[in-house]
Amino acid sequence: DIVMTQSPDSLAVSLGERATIYCKSSQSVLSSSNNKNYLAWYQQKPGQPPRLLIYWASTRESGVPDRFSGSGSGTDFTLTISSLQAEDVAVYYCQQYSHTPATFGQGTRVEIK
Amino acid sequence: QVQLQESGPGLVKPSETLSLSCAVSGDSISSGGFYWHWIRQHPGKGLEWIGFIYHTGNTYYYNPSLQSRVSMSVDTSKNQFSLRLNSVSAADTAVYYCARAVTSLGWFAPWGQGTLVTVSS
Repeated sequence: DIVMTQSPDSLAVSLGERATIYCKSSQSVLSSSNNKNYLAWYQQKPGQPPRLLIYWASTRESGVPDRFSGSGSGTDFTLTISSLQAEDVAVYYCQQYSHTPATFGQGTRVEIK
Repeated sequence: QVQLQESGPGLVKPSETLSLSCAVSGDSISSGGFYWHWIRQHPGKGLEWIGFIYHTGNTYYYNPSLQSRVSMSVDTSKNQFSLRLNSVSAADTAVYYCARAVTSLGWFAPWGQGTLVTVSS
């Protein structure tokens, strides 16, 4: 299985500041056939299911605020919240869909400093 | 917009079978084009993909870590799909989610609200 490792496990950021979450895969999730990275990001708030934020590593899902952005390629990826809002407090997960079984990172908790 | 809702017993005894259903509204499972997945989340922990089934019922794939105990089915007349997990133990206690994906292996959206299943005697 591809192991997804996120860092840090938690971070506290001031309102309006940038939050950066890292995700590293144990194997490349970049497809040579279509040059796409098979990586998604989710946000999970307490008591709620995960919500898709980004797929193909950098494509924002419809309705997701543009302060959320994804980048990276191969094995190293980043989710950036450009200006943290109170409603962004949540746990964020990366997920690879390059190889079965699909696997998730352990999650990164984002809090307000 | 499509919505998914899980249902089933919240308490299952060890060694018995966990059975859950996921009702889909706002979309017809039989229209095709989507794959129907189950994912679980152990209390306070991360996410584990269980597997998927296609609306035909004869295309499916299970996580190898669970495949000896898992089966999935589709009931197009009720517009729902189901999960069965045999020989459960305390390690199967989790919130179980159903979700939709555009491919057999892809990103998941939307998700159901989830249902907590506790394995205990």
